[in-house]
Amino acid sequence: DADVTQTPRNRITKTGKRIMLECSQTKGHDRMYWYRQDPGLGLRLIYYSFDVKDINKGEISDGYSVSRQAQAKFSLSLESAIPNQTALYFCATSDPSGRLADTQYFGPGTRLTVL
Amino acid sequence: AQSVTQLGSHVSVSEGALVLLRCNYSSSVPPYLFWYVQYPNQGLQLLLKYTTGATLVKGINGFEAEFKKSETSFHLTKPSAHMSDAAEYFCAVSFISNFGNEKLTFGTGTRLTIIP
Repeated sequence: DADVTQTPRNRITKTGKRIMLECSQTKGHDRMYWYRQDPGLGLRLIYYSFDVKDINKGEISDGYSVSRQAQAKFSLSLESAIPNQTALYFCATSDPSGRLADTQYFGPGTRLTVL
Repeated sequence: AQSVTQLGSHVSVSEGALVLLRCNYSSSVPPYLFWYVQYPNQGLQLLLKYTTGATLVKGINGFEAEFKKSETSFHLTKPSAHMSDAAEYFCAVSFISNFGNEKLTFGTGTRLTIIP
């Protein structure tokens, strides 16, 4: 089974709709991240969480919100989706301790299309 | 502030030829440097990383990269390209703060195509 899972894998929605993307991990990591990937722009950080009670904005948080329901779950919401939020969204995790402290582990991605 | 520049959004090489993907970084403090690979329809996976110590680092699938502080570069190489190397490659930088390892900043990616 995958260590970092994302649901749904694909979603098409309409402008103005509320959308939630979910991320779950079985790695036991405290840190979780949400990125979006756009062609030619690479990955940009939306939000990150260093533990259940810690939520931080990334470089492009406007129009998004997050919820860290548990150590293993980190959800991304688009309160009112707009077409320029069409992108590939990735969740990632990391563990700040040990030899692999600086490695992030990525989920398979969610492709979101806003019409 | 830190940033990453990847030169060449698309690189094509023949099978068996040298692969060279370029990455330059900007960081006001000693950086941690990474290369991630993204195969079609998959998430990113770590290829290799430099944290401290030896400046030539070896990764999976025969790739390696050399940290050159004087050139602020971390170019990725592989002596002989294989068809399975076709993917998108991302360079990334982070650094250590009082809070531990800070978040990654990614480059814009280089799509590698292998010509049979």
